[in-house]
Amino acid sequence: DIVMTQSPDSLAVSLGERATINCKSSQSVLYSSNNKNYLAWYQQKPGQPPRLLIYWASTRESGVPDRFSGSGSGTDFTLTISSLQAEDVAVYYCQQYYSTPFTFGPGTKVDIK
Amino acid sequence: QVQLQESGPGLVKPSETLSLTCTVSGGSISNSYWSWIRQPAGKGLEWIGRISASGSNNYNPSLKSRVTMSVDTSKNQFTVKLTSVTAADTAVYYCARGEWLTWGQGILVTVSS
Repeated sequence: DIVMTQSPDSLAVSLGERATINCKSSQSVLYSSNNKNYLAWYQQKPGQPPRLLIYWASTRESGVPDRFSGSGSGTDFTLTISSLQAEDVAVYYCQQYYSTPFTFGPGTKVDIK
Repeated sequence: QVQLQESGPGLVKPSETLSLTCTVSGGSISNSYWSWIRQPAGKGLEWIGRISASGSNNYNPSLKSRVTMSVDTSKNQFTVKLTSVTAADTAVYYCARGEWLTWGQGILVTVSS
């Protein structure tokens, strides 16, 4: 299984400031034949299902605000919230879909400072 | 826009079989892979497995001995059965579409006598 790790476990950021979440996979999720990273990011608020934010490591899902961006390749990835809003308070998960079983990171909790 | 809705018993007795159905609306079940994921209260996400409309499946090795998935294309539904449940199987169970996942609302299943 591909093990996903995330850092930090939690962070508190002032409104309007940048939040950065890191995700690392135990093996590369870059598929060489199409040069795509099989990595997605989700946002989960209390009592709600996860919401897809980013797929292919950097493609924003329709309707997701452009303050959310994904970057990275191979084994190291980053989710950036460029200007934190109050509604962004949530837990964020990365997920690899390179191989089954699909696996998720443990989550990063984002709060307002 | 495809929507997913989980249904089934919210309470299952220990040693019995958990059975849930996901109904897909707004699109055909024939066009994707369909997954089950679970989340114990306050914890992270565990991918249980997936199935295609043709019945091709992949299960998480950690649950493989107890999991069976099936699909009913005539009803646009897919199901998961988990045998010999214990309290450790208490969780919110989500159905989801695709590899980067779009999710149903989830259903809480409690294992208790």
